[in-house]
Amino acid sequence: EDQVTQSPEALRLQEGESSSLNCSYTVSGLRGLFWYRQDPGKGPEFLFTLYSAGEEKEKERLKATLTKKESFLHITAPKPEDSATYLCAVQEKGAQKLVFGQGTRLTINP
Amino acid sequence: ETGVTQTPRHLVMGMTNKKSLKCEQHLGHNAMYWYKQSAKKPLELMFVYSLEERVENNSVPSRFSPECPNSSHLFLHLHTLQPEDSALYLCASSPEPSGTYNEQFFGPGTRLTVL
Repeated sequence: EDQVTQSPEALRLQEGESSSLNCSYTVSGLRGLFWYRQDPGKGPEFLFTLYSAGEEKEKERLKATLTKKESFLHITAPKPEDSATYLCAVQEKGAQKLVFGQGTRLTINP
Repeated sequence: ETGVTQTPRHLVMGMTNKKSLKCEQHLGHNAMYWYKQSAKKPLELMFVYSLEERVENNSVPSRFSPECPNSSHLFLHLHTLQPEDSALYLCASSPEPSGTYNEQFFGPGTRLTVL
Protein backbone atom coordinates (compact mmCIF):
# COMPACT_ATOMS: atom_id res chain seq x y z
CA GLU A 1 0.00 0.00 0.00
CA ASP A 2 1.21 3.49 -0.85
CA GLN A 3 2.66 5.39 2.11
CA VAL A 4 3.78 8.96 2.57
CA THR A 5 5.64 10.17 5.67
CA GLN A 6 6.55 13.79 6.27
CA SER A 7 9.11 15.08 8.74
CA PRO A 8 9.37 16.94 10.93
CA GLU A 9 5.76 17.27 12.11
CA ALA A 10 6.44 20.87 13.10
CA LEU A 11 9.33 23.25 12.47
CA ARG A 12 9.92 26.68 13.94
CA LEU A 13 12.51 28.94 12.28
CA GLN A 14 13.69 32.50 12.59
CA GLU A 15 13.14 34.78 9.62
CA GLY A 16 16.00 34.25 7.18
CA GLU A 17 16.94 30.83 8.59
CA SER A 18 16.94 28.34 5.70
CA SER A 19 15.87 24.71 6.16
CA SER A 20 14.34 21.67 4.44
CA LEU A 21 11.19 19.63 4.84
CA ASN A 22 11.22 15.92 4.02
CA CYS A 23 8.67 13.67 2.33
CA SER A 24 9.45 9.96 2.19
CA TYR A 25 7.27 7.75 0.05
CA THR A 26 6.66 4.14 -0.83
CA VAL A 27 4.82 3.52 -4.09
CA SER A 28 5.09 0.91 -6.80
CA GLY A 29 5.59 3.12 -9.83
CA LEU A 30 5.44 6.87 -9.26
CA ARG A 31 3.24 8.94 -11.55
CA GLY A 32 3.89 12.19 -9.70
CA LEU A 33 4.74 13.76 -6.36
CA PHE A 34 2.89 16.91 -5.38
CA TRP A 35 3.59 19.66 -2.86
CA TYR A 36 0.85 21.85 -1.45
CA ARG A 37 0.70 24.71 1.02
CA GLN A 38 -2.26 24.99 3.39
CA ASP A 39 -3.10 28.00 5.53
CA PRO A 40 -5.36 27.56 8.58
CA GLY A 41 -9.03 27.21 7.65
CA LYS A 42 -8.30 27.13 3.92
CA GLY A 43 -7.94 24.53 1.21
CA PRO A 44 -4.51 23.34 0.06
CA GLU A 45 -2.80 25.52 -2.55
CA PHE A 46 -0.89 23.72 -5.30
CA LEU A 47 2.86 24.43 -5.40
CA PHE A 48 4.76 21.84 -7.47
CA THR A 49 4.57 18.54 -9.32
CA LEU A 50 7.69 16.38 -9.68
CA TYR A 51 7.64 13.40 -12.03
CA SER A 52 11.06 11.76 -12.01
CA ALA A 53 14.15 11.39 -9.82
CA GLY A 54 16.55 14.26 -10.24
CA GLU A 55 13.85 16.76 -11.14
CA GLU A 56 13.86 20.15 -9.38
CA LYS A 57 11.36 23.01 -9.39
CA GLU A 58 11.54 26.48 -7.85
CA LYS A 59 9.07 29.14 -6.89
CA GLU A 60 10.23 32.24 -5.06
CA ARG A 61 11.93 31.01 -1.83
CA LEU A 62 10.85 27.39 -2.35
CA LYS A 63 12.70 24.64 -4.18
CA ALA A 64 11.45 21.07 -4.47
CA THR A 65 13.67 18.11 -5.33
CA LEU A 66 12.94 14.44 -5.92
CA THR A 67 14.82 11.16 -5.50
CA LYS A 68 13.54 7.61 -5.88
CA LYS A 69 12.55 7.46 -2.21
CA GLU A 70 11.97 11.00 -1.01
CA SER A 71 11.39 14.61 -1.83
CA PHE A 72 12.70 17.72 -0.13
CA LEU A 73 11.15 21.15 0.03
CA HIS A 74 13.95 23.63 0.62
CA ILE A 75 13.04 27.02 2.02
CA THR A 76 15.67 29.73 1.53
CA ALA A 77 15.65 32.84 3.72
CA PRO A 78 12.01 32.36 4.77
CA LYS A 79 9.68 35.17 5.74
CA PRO A 80 6.81 35.11 8.26
CA GLU A 81 4.32 34.84 5.38
CA ASP A 82 5.81 31.44 4.54
CA SER A 83 4.27 30.10 7.75
CA ALA A 84 1.78 27.36 6.80
CA THR A 85 1.36 23.60 6.74
CA TYR A 86 3.13 22.00 3.78
CA LEU A 87 1.58 18.83 2.40
CA CYS A 88 3.16 16.18 0.21
CA ALA A 89 1.16 13.70 -1.89
CA VAL A 90 1.99 10.90 -4.32
CA GLN A 91 0.10 9.39 -7.20
CA GLU A 92 0.80 5.86 -8.36
CA LYS A 93 0.86 5.17 -12.09
CA GLY A 94 -2.63 4.33 -13.34
CA ALA A 95 -4.30 5.39 -10.10
CA GLN A 96 -6.84 8.14 -9.73
CA LYS A 97 -6.13 9.14 -6.17
CA LEU A 98 -3.44 11.08 -4.39
CA VAL A 99 -2.11 9.72 -1.09
CA PHE A 100 -1.25 12.54 1.30
CA GLY A 101 1.20 12.77 4.17
CA GLN A 102 0.27 14.35 7.48
CA GLY A 103 2.04 17.58 6.67
CA THR A 104 4.74 19.73 8.26
CA ARG A 105 3.55 22.77 10.19
CA LEU A 106 6.09 25.52 9.51
CA THR A 107 6.30 28.66 11.65
CA ILE A 108 8.61 31.54 10.74
CA ASN A 109 9.22 34.00 13.56
CA PRO A 110 10.04 37.62 12.67
CA GLU B 1 -15.88 33.36 -9.82
CA THR B 2 -12.57 31.62 -10.39
CA GLY B 3 -11.03 28.34 -9.29
CA VAL B 4 -13.01 26.03 -7.05
CA THR B 5 -15.78 27.36 -4.83
CA GLN B 6 -17.61 25.62 -1.99
CA THR B 7 -20.76 26.46 -0.08
CA PRO B 8 -21.52 26.73 2.71
CA ARG B 9 -18.20 27.57 4.35
CA HIS B 10 -19.47 26.56 7.78
CA LEU B 11 -22.26 24.14 8.72
CA VAL B 12 -23.56 22.98 12.07
CA MET B 13 -26.06 20.15 12.01
CA GLY B 14 -27.72 17.69 14.32
CA MET B 15 -27.41 13.96 13.87
CA THR B 16 -30.92 13.69 12.42
CA ASN B 17 -30.60 16.53 9.91
CA LYS B 18 -30.17 16.27 6.15
CA LYS B 19 -27.92 18.79 4.46
CA SER B 20 -25.90 19.13 1.27
CA LEU B 21 -22.48 20.55 0.47
CA LYS B 22 -21.97 22.16 -2.92
CA CYS B 23 -18.82 22.50 -5.01
CA GLU B 24 -18.35 24.29 -8.32
CA GLN B 25 -15.22 24.43 -10.45
CA HIS B 26 -14.57 27.14 -13.04
CA LEU B 27 -11.40 25.59 -14.49
CA GLY B 28 -12.83 23.42 -17.26
CA HIS B 29 -11.57 20.27 -15.55
CA ASN B 30 -12.94 16.77 -16.11
CA ALA B 31 -12.41 15.21 -12.67
CA MET B 32 -13.75 16.23 -9.26
CA TYR B 33 -13.03 14.91 -5.78
CA TRP B 34 -14.34 14.98 -2.21
CA TYR B 35 -11.82 14.79 0.64
CA LYS B 36 -12.23 14.73 4.41
CA GLN B 37 -9.63 16.47 6.60
CA SER B 38 -9.72 15.72 10.32
CA ALA B 39 -7.37 17.09 12.94
CA LYS B 40 -4.05 15.25 13.16
CA LYS B 41 -4.88 13.02 10.15
CA PRO B 42 -3.88 13.16 6.48
CA LEU B 43 -6.42 14.15 3.88
CA GLU B 44 -8.69 11.20 3.18
CA LEU B 45 -10.08 10.73 -0.32
CA MET B 46 -13.81 10.01 -0.26
CA PHE B 47 -15.03 10.06 -3.87
CA VAL B 48 -13.69 10.62 -7.37
CA TYR B 49 -15.79 11.59 -10.38
CA SER B 50 -14.49 11.61 -13.94
CA LEU B 51 -16.74 13.14 -16.59
CA GLU B 52 -19.68 12.88 -14.19
CA GLU B 53 -19.14 9.16 -13.58
CA ARG B 54 -18.07 7.94 -10.15
CA VAL B 55 -14.77 6.11 -10.58
CA GLU B 56 -13.79 5.58 -6.96
CA ASN B 57 -15.60 5.25 -3.66
CA ASN B 58 -13.05 4.97 -0.90
CA SER B 59 -15.13 2.81 1.49
CA VAL B 60 -17.18 5.77 2.65
CA PRO B 61 -20.26 5.15 4.86
CA SER B 62 -23.60 5.38 3.08
CA ARG B 63 -24.60 8.39 5.18
CA PHE B 64 -22.45 10.33 2.69
CA SER B 65 -23.97 10.39 -0.79
CA PRO B 66 -22.23 12.18 -3.67
CA GLU B 67 -23.86 13.58 -6.78
CA CYS B 68 -22.20 14.96 -9.91
CA PRO B 69 -24.84 16.36 -12.31
CA ASN B 70 -22.22 17.78 -14.72
CA SER B 71 -18.47 18.24 -14.92
CA SER B 72 -18.60 21.61 -13.13
CA HIS B 73 -20.74 20.74 -10.12
CA LEU B 74 -20.36 18.27 -7.28
CA PHE B 75 -22.57 17.73 -4.26
CA LEU B 76 -22.19 15.78 -1.05
CA HIS B 77 -25.50 14.89 0.55
CA LEU B 78 -25.36 14.26 4.28
CA HIS B 79 -27.85 12.43 6.50
CA THR B 80 -27.85 10.91 9.99
CA LEU B 81 -24.24 11.89 10.58
CA GLN B 82 -22.22 11.11 13.69
CA PRO B 83 -20.16 13.54 15.80
CA GLU B 84 -16.97 11.89 14.48
CA ASP B 85 -17.93 13.10 11.02
CA SER B 86 -17.09 16.65 12.11
CA ALA B 87 -14.22 17.78 9.89
CA LEU B 88 -13.19 20.05 7.03
CA TYR B 89 -14.66 18.75 3.77
CA LEU B 90 -12.65 19.72 0.75
CA CYS B 91 -13.59 19.60 -2.91
CA ALA B 92 -10.94 19.49 -5.61
CA SER B 93 -10.77 19.28 -9.39
CA SER B 94 -8.12 18.25 -11.90
CA PRO B 95 -7.81 18.18 -15.68
CA GLU B 96 -8.17 14.40 -15.62
CA PRO B 97 -8.06 11.79 -12.84
CA SER B 98 -5.23 9.53 -13.88
CA GLY B 99 -3.53 11.01 -16.86
CA THR B 100 -0.36 12.99 -17.27
CA TYR B 101 -1.61 16.14 -15.57
CA ASN B 102 -3.30 15.43 -12.28
CA GLU B 103 -2.58 18.58 -10.34
CA GLN B 104 -5.60 18.90 -8.09
CA PHE B 105 -6.91 22.35 -7.23
CA PHE B 106 -8.80 22.66 -3.99
CA GLY B 107 -11.68 24.78 -2.80
CA PRO B 108 -11.67 26.56 0.56
CA GLY B 109 -13.58 23.75 2.26
CA THR B 110 -16.73 23.44 4.39
CA ARG B 111 -16.15 23.26 8.13
CA LEU B 112 -18.78 20.76 9.34
CA THR B 113 -19.75 20.33 12.97
CA VAL B 114 -22.14 17.53 13.94
CA LEU B 115 -23.79 17.95 17.32
